[in-house]
Amino acid sequence: SAVISQKPSRDICQRGTSLTIQCQVDSQVTMMFWYRQQPGQSLTLIATANQGSEATYESGFVIDKFPISRPNLTFSTLTVSNMSPEDSSIYLCSAYRLAGRFYEQYFGPGTRLTVT
Amino acid sequence: GQQLNQSPQSMFIQEGEDVSMNCTSSSIFNTWLWYKQDPGEGPVLLIALYKAGELTSNGRLTAQFGITRKDSFLNISASIPSDVGIYFCAGPDSGAGSYQLTFGKGTKLSVIP
Repeated sequence: SAVISQKPSRDICQRGTSLTIQCQVDSQVTMMFWYRQQPGQSLTLIATANQGSEATYESGFVIDKFPISRPNLTFSTLTVSNMSPEDSSIYLCSAYRLAGRFYEQYFGPGTRLTVT
Repeated sequence: GQQLNQSPQSMFIQEGEDVSMNCTSSSIFNTWLWYKQDPGEGPVLLIALYKAGELTSNGRLTAQFGITRKDSFLNISASIPSDVGIYFCAGPDSGAGSYQLTFGKGTKLSVIP
């Protein structure tokens, strides 16, 4: 398995500001992802963090709002820009490692963001 | 994209009872993953299934990969209070590649001591 840590674990931010969330994996992984989870809801994929190239965003998410970096195989950041109360959510980092035919994806503990 | 229908949406059970929940899809999945999420935490992988008909256990948990590859179920035997949480099924979205997960909406489990 992979151990994933995220910083910060939670934050309360003012409208119009930006927050950068860090994700660190304890070993090299094939893929890293960022998800959003609204309270009481399931997980929604924001983007795939690609090492050395621009992230791949899902429909409804754009780079200007959620810039992502992945400078190496174990680290990624997600920035939530120009925040509004609608951005209040849990943001989850995830990592995937392919070992033969086995697919397993692991999640960090999440960052709980509240925008006032 | 693909969609996963998970049921029941929530359930209340007495401690010691067995629990069963399932996940269905209109399209074929090659892998089924079951996660549990505790309040304030990220999802934790419980069981991964890779082959149609496969039955896999992890302690009191048992999951099966449906023979049609369009469904999976998760059973919990002799439930205990720490089983409380939200259980999600998930599978790689084959339409977008083999690594982006599609999640069910979750089954919220409450255990009454």
